Amino acid sequence: AQTVTQSQPEMSVQEAETVTLSCTYDTSESDYYLFWYKQPPSRQMILVIRQEAYKQQNATENRFSVNFQKAAKSFSLKISDSQLGDAAMYFCAYLEGSNYQLIWGAGTKLIIKP
Amino acid sequence: DVKVTQSSRYLVKRTGEKVFLECVQDMDHENMFWYRQDPGLGLRLIYFSYDVKMKEKGDIPEGYSVSREKKERFSLILESASTNQTSMYLCASIRDTENQPQHFGDGTRLSIL
Repeated sequence: AQTVTQSQPEMSVQEAETVTLSCTYDTSESDYYLFWYKQPPSRQMILVIRQEAYKQQNATENRFSVNFQKAAKSFSLKISDSQLGDAAMYFCAYLEGSNYQLIWGAGTKLIIKP
Repeated sequence: DVKVTQSSRYLVKRTGEKVFLECVQDMDHENMFWYRQDPGLGLRLIYFSYDVKMKEKGDIPEGYSVSREKKERFSLILESASTNQTSMYLCASIRDTENQPQHFGDGTRLSIL
């Protein structure tokens, strides 16, 4: 069965600095998607960034970028120029290409120090 | 913009009560999901529905049932609430022609006393 592991329950970073959140996954499939979702204290789960497994190029969305290492089954999220509004729980999630069921990591709580 | 609305942000119920959590989406999405979120466990799928009156069990369906009588509404039912069902419940939806990303409601924090 597919699993998603986030080994960092909590991370903290100084405002304006860069932080990297780790995610590893286990699958035998070749067609899949990976996601980072953000859940701020307001609780709504928001998609931050997605990566298609067949794409070698790492996805980027403004200050957010991923380091996708398919062979190592690693999918880390880098947040540059951290802002106070980035404080949230961050979840890594996996989806098989033909499926609707997301497999979620346990989450990483990101704290931004002013 | 997609809007997924959960009827309550906070809910307190007693052990043994029948509890209804309601979710409504306004984008004519075919697929709807109920998740449970617990610290250290991430999100776990309880049930999902891919059409009106259709449902599939997720990873943790025990103690729950669902109802999808109309396309826009997906209800989660706790038949006889127990204290171990105290949790955050999240609803999500997605169109049939897409498989991602899912659109989420704000969540219902349910406490069973």
